[in-house]
Amino acid sequence: ETGVTQTPRHLVMGMTNKKSLKCEQHLGHNAMYWYKQSAKKPLELMFVYSLEERVENNSVPSRFSPECPNSSHLFLHLHTLQPEDSALYLCASSQDGWNYGYTFGSGTRLTVV
Amino acid sequence: TQLLEQSPQFLSIQEGENLTVYCNSSSVFSSLQWYRQEPGEGPVLLVTVVTGGEVKKLKRLTFQFGDARKDSSLHITAAQPGDTGLYLCAVNAGNMLTFGGGTRLMVKP
Repeated sequence: ETGVTQTPRHLVMGMTNKKSLKCEQHLGHNAMYWYKQSAKKPLELMFVYSLEERVENNSVPSRFSPECPNSSHLFLHLHTLQPEDSALYLCASSQDGWNYGYTFGSGTRLTVV
Repeated sequence: TQLLEQSPQFLSIQEGENLTVYCNSSSVFSSLQWYRQEPGEGPVLLVTVVTGGEVKKLKRLTFQFGDARKDSSLHITAAQPGDTGLYLCAVNAGNMLTFGGGTRLMVKP
C-alpha cells in the first residue's frame, strides 16, 4: 500500500463506548497529525507527532487520547465522547515540516449517538 | 476571527464557466498552499506559492500569490464536473498547517 491509510472509514459509537482510530503511512515521513473536520468549521489541528514525540496539543479534550508507537503508525483513542464530537477525523503525514505539503488519509467518519 | 478567510463559501456553476476563489488574511506569510478535497476523501495538495506576485499554472488552474503575500487567488478556466470539491488554502502558522474555511465548488454538467 502507498500513501496514508485510515481505518475504519466509518464508525458509529455510543457515548459510553471506547474505540480507536488507526492511521498508517507508507511514505517514510517523520511527522504525523490528527485533524478534525466538522461541518461549517475549518479543519482543526488536534495533535502533532514529530519524530514520534508529541509537540502540539491544542487544548483538545481528554476524551481524545493520541498514541504514536512508531513513525509509521498513529492512533486516536476515543472514550465517553459527546454527540458534538461527530465529525470527519483526518490523519496526515509530512516530511521535514510543511513545505512539501501534508499527505492526508481519506478520514474516518465518526458518528456519536 | 479566522487567520484565513476564503470566499465565496459556496459556488455552483455550469460546466464550461470560469471562476475565481479567494483566500485573504491581514497577516503576511512566507508561503501558502492550496488543497482540493473531493467528497469522501482527504485534502490533496495542488500547489505551493512562495514569492509575492508569483503565478503558477496547473492545467486549467491558475494560482496567484498577492504582492504583499497576504492573499491568494485560484482561477479555474472552463470548469468541469471533475473540478467539484472543497478548495482549501493553508499557511504555516506556529510551524503547523492552518487552513481557511474553504470554498465548496459544484460544477454541473
